[in-house]
Amino acid sequence: AQKITQTQPGMFVQEKEAVTLDCTYDTSDQSYGLFWYKQPSSGEMIFLIYQGSYDEQNATEGRYSLNFQKARKSANLVISASQLGDSAMYFCAMRDRPGNQFYFGTGTSLTVIP
Amino acid sequence: GAVVSQHPSRVICKSGTSVKIECRSLDFQATTMFWYRQFPKQSLMLMATSNEGSKATYEQGVEKDKFLINHASLTLSTLTVTSAHPEDSSFYICSARRGENYGYTFGSGTRLTVV
Repeated sequence: AQKITQTQPGMFVQEKEAVTLDCTYDTSDQSYGLFWYKQPSSGEMIFLIYQGSYDEQNATEGRYSLNFQKARKSANLVISASQLGDSAMYFCAMRDRPGNQFYFGTGTSLTVIP
Repeated sequence: GAVVSQHPSRVICKSGTSVKIECRSLDFQATTMFWYRQFPKQSLMLMATSNEGSKATYEQGVEKDKFLINHASLTLSTLTVTSAHPEDSSFYICSARRGENYGYTFGSGTRLTVV
């Protein structure tokens, strides 16, 4: 079964606008971590933000925030004030225990329009 | 959906030995496989890109003689860490694409510990 689902293969956003990238996950573990990565054309995976399952507040890192809705098992990434350099692939991932394995979504390609 | 199976999930080896990590695409033919290594602050660094039947393309700074990548078939790619050292201890993950118009599918990763 798919552990991480990203339903938006491609998204467009106007520069300086906010955009939400969707991610839903599936796990029966109580303790898990949710990650978002950015993959520019260079290929590396840049860590953006992390949310622990026990964290009561939504994680924020600069212009990135994670809209964590535990009951709905969703962990959407919100990028505020989009910049042209935000154009990239974005991957949602989960690491659950005890396997300590990573599960990635299929990614969302974000294009920021000037 | 597309699945990539990565094994082993964890391995502990002694310094000087070699370790092989396998990634198999279970229900699709992976024309391209990517290998990543996790670094501090959770980022994953692209180590190399391999296309079936041809030599892998290594990123700058990655020792191709130390990290041997083989993509002998459309469903199997392997990464062999040769003469492993403690500094090679890391999390390695593979990713595959069926083709350019398809999304990426990631393996579940391998935690390598060299003692």
